[in-house]
Amino acid sequence: DTGVSQDPRHKITKRGQNVTFRCDPISEHNRLYWYRQTLGQGPEFLTYFQNEAQLEKSRLLSDRFSAERPKGSFSTLEIQRTEQGDSAMYLCASSLNTPGTRGGYTFGSGTRLTVV
Amino acid sequence: GQQLNQSPQSMFIQEGEDVSMNCTSSSIFNTWLWYKQDPGEGPVLLIALYKAGELTSNGRLTAQFGITRKDSFLNISASIPSDVGIYFCAGETSGSRLTFGEGTQLTVNP
Repeated sequence: DTGVSQDPRHKITKRGQNVTFRCDPISEHNRLYWYRQTLGQGPEFLTYFQNEAQLEKSRLLSDRFSAERPKGSFSTLEIQRTEQGDSAMYLCASSLNTPGTRGGYTFGSGTRLTVV
Repeated sequence: GQQLNQSPQSMFIQEGEDVSMNCTSSSIFNTWLWYKQDPGEGPVLLIALYKAGELTSNGRLTAQFGITRKDSFLNISASIPSDVGIYFCAGETSGSRLTFGEGTQLTVNP
């Protein structure tokens, strides 16, 4: 396992188009998180899954955003009708969360979205 | 909502110098984490702190979890050019979301 993989690394899209990003977490990790990071800021939480269940969503996740983790493994984040303000780095992270375990997340390298 | 105040925003130092940065919060966290991010990459975990008062080292890095659970600092000793990057603190309360600081941009002059 080579860590958390995100695809694509870069995406340029026209305003109004839909985009979908994929995240493959570390295989034994049961939690998967999506964050958004704009230039000069720290990452901001969007949503997270425990296995296939989406347990929490931030108010940043407008109704144009949807995330899925259908089989509890990889996840997709879709943005519909993209706006210029959606331009950011979208980071995925995973962790193993069970009683008695500890540890920070492992982040992927991110998908850089540019909306023109 | 929760906010982390991270300082300084940027630092310019000479190779070999020691560096200190810190984070404060208006809220209590159960875990403090320190990450480093290189351009175009995701954050990489440096140190995790789980207990108030805990002092943990990782090579030239030392971090402490404040007694009040509302602050943490990170020290880097004998800096080297590859220490260049953005350092983020992050707090965790419920085992789910992390709240990040705004980062400290470190530049090391050889």
